[in-house]
Amino acid sequence: GAGVSQSPSNKVTEKGKDVELRCDPISGHTALYWYRQRLGQGLEFLIYFQGNSAPDKSGLPSDRFSAERTGESVSTLTIQRTQQEDSAVYLCASSLVPGGNQPQHFGDGTRLSIL
Amino acid sequence: SQQGEEDPQALSIQEGENATMNCSYKTSINNLQWYRQNSGRGLVHLILIRSNEREKHSGRLRVTLDTSKKSSSLLITASRAADTASYFCATDDWAGNNRKLIWGLGTSLAVNP
Repeated sequence: GAGVSQSPSNKVTEKGKDVELRCDPISGHTALYWYRQRLGQGLEFLIYFQGNSAPDKSGLPSDRFSAERTGESVSTLTIQRTQQEDSAVYLCASSLVPGGNQPQHFGDGTRLSIL
Repeated sequence: SQQGEEDPQALSIQEGENATMNCSYKTSINNLQWYRQNSGRGLVHLILIRSNEREKHSGRLRVTLDTSKKSSSLLITASRAADTASYFCATDDWAGNNRKLIWGLGTSLAVNP
């Protein structure tokens, strides 16, 4: 596709339910990032994938959060037993290769609301 | 943790005026990037400046970098209502893991018609 695609765009769920968020990166981009953005705040790094290397999970806030990516394709972010503090926009970005000299291309995010 | 801090947190100007936003960071860097985020959308990359560069231009955007002060500024000239957005700076970490960007908290810019 032309850009990074995320789905769903909005998700409302009850506290305690599991949710799965999907990110389809730009074709050929080897690096994929997940971020969390609370209302009016900056980006909080969650996890980073690079090709078939072990992901950098250092930003995941708890063991309720997990993510997978197969090769250089789609990634899913799963939040188990959701809590109200998980309410936020979850943004996915990809870049051609990893590194601080690479622009990141973002999807429009999934707005998650926990009731 | 946040590396960068943008100031001001919010800025309101009239169309046609220039807007200046600043970003300060803590560690030595290789690169600094600026992004724009329109309401309800993802971030869009605007410009990247390397640590050995002092100034860079792209259309109505001018970015400066002062590594001795660990700061950068983004100037938008002749602003338009469509420039209304949040602006974020992001840096890598020269000494650390430079595969991740570290983000500031952003400046919210409102350009009034």
